Amino acid sequence: GAGVSQTPSNKVTEKGKYVELRCDPISGHTALYWYRQSLGQGPEFLIYFQGTGAADDSGLPNDRFFAVRPEGSVSTLKIQRTERGDSAVYLCASSYETGELFFGEGSRLTVL
Amino acid sequence: SQQGEEDPQALSIQEGENATMNCSYKTSINNLQWYRQNSGRGLVHLILIRSNEREKHSGRLRVTLDTSKKSSSLLITASRAADTASYFCATDFPPGTYKYIFGTGTRLKVLA
Repeated sequence: GAGVSQTPSNKVTEKGKYVELRCDPISGHTALYWYRQSLGQGPEFLIYFQGTGAADDSGLPNDRFFAVRPEGSVSTLKIQRTERGDSAVYLCASSYETGELFFGEGSRLTVL
Repeated sequence: SQQGEEDPQALSIQEGENATMNCSYKTSINNLQWYRQNSGRGLVHLILIRSNEREKHSGRLRVTLDTSKKSSSLLITASRAADTASYFCATDFPPGTYKYIFGTGTRLKVLA
């Protein structure tokens, strides 16, 4: 497909477990973003990549959160020792230097 | 923390009426964008306006930007039931970078 793809679309896990969320951006897009959105709120910035490197990771809430983009395309957001407060929709977006972000449908994470 | 705040938080209008929502932000910007989000879906880019522009149109959408007041407005003319969604503004922060911070959103409901 031509759009941003995120997997899984839904993830239910138990407190303390490790979770990986994957984002497949639009081909050729150099910038990739991760946001987190809680119910009724706007997207909260987590991190963005230019190519393989994290250009700004100031939004990652703590060291349990980590993201990689090893080949400058697919990215994985990794959450260790999940907590109930991590429950949210995690949104990925990609962009080709125009400023316009193309979003995926999100991964809904529920931590029990 | 979020850079932008939309006003009103919620808006309910009849089909055919115009809908106006406002965004105020805190620091200087290079550009401001508006996005729409249907319930449970990803965000869709609507329009980007640069700091040296005062007004921009796209179909039934009209966006204004007042950098002296650090505010922007989105006008949807002749609204339709399909316009029911949440609308968010996003600003580049720091200005001139590709990091975008989203506001809190306006939930628009258009009644048929």
